[in-house]
Formats: sequence, structure tokens, C-alpha cells
Amino acid sequence: DFVMTQSPDSLAVSLGERATIYCKSSQNVLYSSNNKNYLAWYQQKTGQPPRLLIYWASTRESGVPDRFSGSGSGTDFTLTISSLQAEDAAVYYCQQYYSTSYTFGQGTKLEIK
Amino acid sequence: EVQLVEYGGGLVQPGGSLRLSCAASGFTFSAYSMNWVRQAPGKGLEWLSYIRSSGDSIYYADSVRGRFTVSRDNAKNSLYLQMNSLRVEDTAVYYCVREGDSGSYAPHWGQGTLVTVSS
Repeated sequence: DFVMTQSPDSLAVSLGERATIYCKSSQNVLYSSNNKNYLAWYQQKTGQPPRLLIYWASTRESGVPDRFSGSGSGTDFTLTISSLQAEDAAVYYCQQYYSTSYTFGQGTKLEIK
Repeated sequence: EVQLVEYGGGLVQPGGSLRLSCAASGFTFSAYSMNWVRQAPGKGLEWLSYIRSSGDSIYYADSVRGRFTVSRDNAKNSLYLQMNSLRVEDTAVYYCVREGDSGSYAPHWGQGTLVTVSS
């Protein structure tokens, strides 16, 4: 089974600064036949369902600000928010969809310092 | 606009049963695989079940296999989750989730329905 481990569990970043969240998969999520990483990132604010930010590890969902970017391949991935805005305070999750037993990371709580 | 509306949540005693429904609109329901994901109070996201667009392929998380049954009615644009032998630890918000156009990421979520298992 896949285990997705995010780090850190929480972080506080000042407005306008960069925030970086890491996600490590216990197994490779890169599918060799299409060279795609089956990894997504979500943002969840209190009382709301998750919102898809990034899929295929680096493709930004429509409507997501370009300050959000995803990178990585294989087992190690990063979500970067280049210039933190107040509305970015939330919990962020990574998810693998390589296996049909989709697995989420434990979440990273991002606060404004 | 894609809309997913879950209903059927509520309070149930341990060992009891509940059936959740998800009404889909704004897209061709029969063309998309669907999932159920839950979130216990103050906890993270847990994927529960997947059903292919045609209904001929189904997967479950270990935590619910044998107790929960997912189904769909493409004629009614509806997804279901039959939950039996409910436990206190099944208390959570249950989300209906549609896959993306090009893969099994999850761009579309319902607002969720709360299931509380308590005596």
C-alpha cells in the first residue's frame, strides 16, 4: 500500500514570503508508459471541501493562481506558494492516484506569521 | 456547472446502517468514475471507495471493505454508499467526489454530509 508522508505537519510563513510543503510517497507514482506522475495537491479551508490545486504533479487546475506550483517526480514532490497571501491559510494535502486505493498525505497546516 | 449533492447523513447507533446518496448534475454522469472520501472531525482525508463509470469495477479501503457497498444508477445520475455495521470511528463528513477529465485526480467535490455514530 502507498503511504504518503507530508512535511512539515505545520508551518507559519509571513505574507509575501515563500511557503514550501513536501510530500514523499512510499512507492513510485511515475507511470513509465506516459511519463506522468500520478500526484495531486489540494487546499482545504475550515468548513469547506478540498479544492484541487495541482494534478500530474505540476499541472495547475483552472482558476488556481500562478503563485501555486508543484514539482517533483517518482517519490518526492513539492508544493510551493511563491508569495503567500492571507487567503492561502489552509490545510494542504497531497494525494497519489497511481493506485486505485487512492491515498492522501496527513495534511500540512499553513498559517500566516 | 458540476454539482454534487450528498444526503442521507445523520445520527446512527453503533452497529446500525445508513445509506448515503449523491445527486450529480452538470455533466454526463455515466462517463465518469466516482469516489467516496471521508473526513473525521479534526482529521485528514480518507479515501473510501471507487466505482468506475460503468459500475463494473469497484475498490474499497481496508477500513470499510465488507461493511460498505458503493453503487451507482447512471439513469438517475446518482451515487450511493450503503454503510452497515457502523462503528464510532466511522463518524465523519462523507464526500462524493468526481474524477477529472484526464485522470483520477479530484477536481469536483460535494459539500459533504455528516454521519455521526454514537449511542
